[in-house]
Parts: sequence; C-alpha cells; structure tokens
Amino acid sequence: QVQLQESGPGLVKPSETLSLTCAVSGYSISSGYYWGWIRQPPGKGLEWIGSIYHSGSTYYNPSLKSRVTISVDTSKNQFSLKLSSVTAADTAVYYCARLTMVTPAFDIWGQGTMVTVSS
Amino acid sequence: EIVLTQSPGTLSLSPGERATLSCRASQSVSSSYLAWYQQKPGQAPRLLIYGASSRATGIPDRFSGSGSGTDFTLTISRLEPEDFAVYYCQQYGSSATFGQGTKLEIK
Repeated sequence: QVQLQESGPGLVKPSETLSLTCAVSGYSISSGYYWGWIRQPPGKGLEWIGSIYHSGSTYYNPSLKSRVTISVDTSKNQFSLKLSSVTAADTAVYYCARLTMVTPAFDIWGQGTMVTVSS
Repeated sequence: EIVLTQSPGTLSLSPGERATLSCRASQSVSSSYLAWYQQKPGQAPRLLIYGASSRATGIPDRFSGSGSGTDFTLTISRLEPEDFAVYYCQQYGSSATFGQGTKLEIK
C-alpha cells in the first residue's frame, strides 16, 4: 500500500532553513496526484503549507509563500520542503500527505516529524 | 482566504449518542472541495469524508457528511468509544484551509 515517511533534522536554529523530505513507497509520484505539506504547532490546529504536482507545479499558502519552496525528485520518488528564516513560531509537527485533486482531500498521510526551532 | 469556523469547540457526549459537528465557511465553498478528518492524540489526521458527503475508504457508515455553500455538517450516528477525537474540516479552493477543530470528548 502507499506509504509516506518524513525525514529531516528535529532541531533547527532561528533564522536558518528547515529542510524535510517525504519518501513515497508503494506508488510512483510520476504516475500522478498532488503531494503536500501540512504542519501542526503543539496543541494547535492544522495549517496547509503547500502542494506540488509531479511535473513540478507548486501551490503555496499565501502567508508562507515568501519563505517556502517545495520540490519533487521523481528519480528518488520523494518530495521536499524548505522553509527559510525560521522562528519559534515554525515549531510544529510537519506532515507530508497525498492530495487527491478531483475532490481535493489529503487521503494518505505520513506519521509526521516534530521540528523544533531553538538556539 | 476562506476561513472555516467549526462549532462547537468541544462536544461532550456518551457512547451510543449522536454527534453533530458544524463547519461554516466565510464564503461559498464548492461541495466537491470540502473534507473532514479525524485526529487522535499522537497520530496523523485520517480522511473521513471528501466531496462533502463521500466516505473515504474503510470509513464506517455511522459517519456521514452533508451541506453546501457555507454550511457543512459531519454527523456520527451512534458514537463508538474509538470515535472520541478531534475533527477538522478542510476546503481546497485556490488554496487549502482547515477549521480550528472540534474536540469530541466522553461525557
């Protein structure tokens, strides 16, 4: 079955760039679907960060757009998130997920990875 | 940006009761673009409903979604112990937004 797995540093210093990767197994990213990143600060709700198609087309949350880059590597069957100039407010669990587009919904999620921004 | 407001913030019910959760949008949302998720502590969200009323794969039929325009509802017909969790609605128009969540707790 399709599985997603996030990976990356659990601790990032303020002003630096947060980098995460989502490895997809059981499905080829090149076959279709959109793929997205969502985050959840401790004790709070969900926030969409952005989405990418296998072709590289991207869509970002307007509130984060100036700091976010999402890219895809079809040869490795993975996609990545970079969030620059991080602050403590970026501390959150970061999830990657598959996005269906006909009736847009995130139908398969990774387990999530906690990222703390602290010096 | 479309803002989704969920109510109530917390809902206290007993197993076997019926739960009705509301999601109101700041502007009209296509029914095709409204989804509901369940999240338990320490777990990723799970898709329950997409297209406002279609159950995702493996979701029991006690879960149902309805609504259109700016008002959407998630109904759980008879609560099971495993249904106590936080529920989020989500829309995806030009960009995606989530509601702030409703916590369904055991009374």
